[in-house]
Amino acid sequence: AQKVTQAQTEISVVEKEDVTLDCVYETRDTTYYLFWYKQPPSGELVFLIRRNSFDEQNEISGRYSWNFQKSTSSFNFTITASQVVDSAVYFCALSEAVEGGSEKLVFGKGTKLTVNP
Amino acid sequence: NAGVTQTPKFQVLKTGQSMTLQCAQDMNHEYMSWYRQDPGMGLRLIHYSVGAGITDQGEVPNGYNVSRSTTEDFPLRLLSAAPSQTSVYFCASSSGRTNEKLFFGSGTQLSVL
Repeated sequence: AQKVTQAQTEISVVEKEDVTLDCVYETRDTTYYLFWYKQPPSGELVFLIRRNSFDEQNEISGRYSWNFQKSTSSFNFTITASQVVDSAVYFCALSEAVEGGSEKLVFGKGTKLTVNP
Repeated sequence: NAGVTQTPKFQVLKTGQSMTLQCAQDMNHEYMSWYRQDPGMGLRLIHYSVGAGITDQGEVPNGYNVSRSTTEDFPLRLLSAAPSQTSVYFCASSSGRTNEKLFFGSGTQLSVL
């Protein structure tokens, strides 16, 4: 069965620090998709990134970067030079690809990041 | 752009009452789903639909019913509300099932007394 573990329940940093949010997943499939979503204090859920299991290239988007390592089943998320606006709950999620598309996206329990000024 | 619209935003029910949470999307997405979010539990899938007339159970379906008569609408029904159903509910849709990004509604905060 699919499983996503975000071991860090809460992280608190001071502005401008770098912070890494960990995500470890379990799946029996060779084809799957990994996601990160952000939930700011306002409550909405915002898509950040999708990665498929065949693309192990790391990705950088501004201050955000993602490190995908199949060997350790991890898809970690790093925020460089954190800002107060980065304060949110971050969810990692896994979708297994089956014929016709997967219907079940499994989320981790989330990591609450607080960036203090 | 409306995207995914959920109503109501807040609701208080008494134990045993029934109600329907509404969800509509205007993006012509085939895939729609309902999640509940509880403290420390992340988001858990309740029910999902891959197209009009097709629904299936997720991780925590008990106590909830869904139907999908149109592509646009995917209502979630609580048949007899229980305090354990106190939660924040999110509706989501995507164009290509769950291997594509989900668009979420703004959520419904439900309290069952």
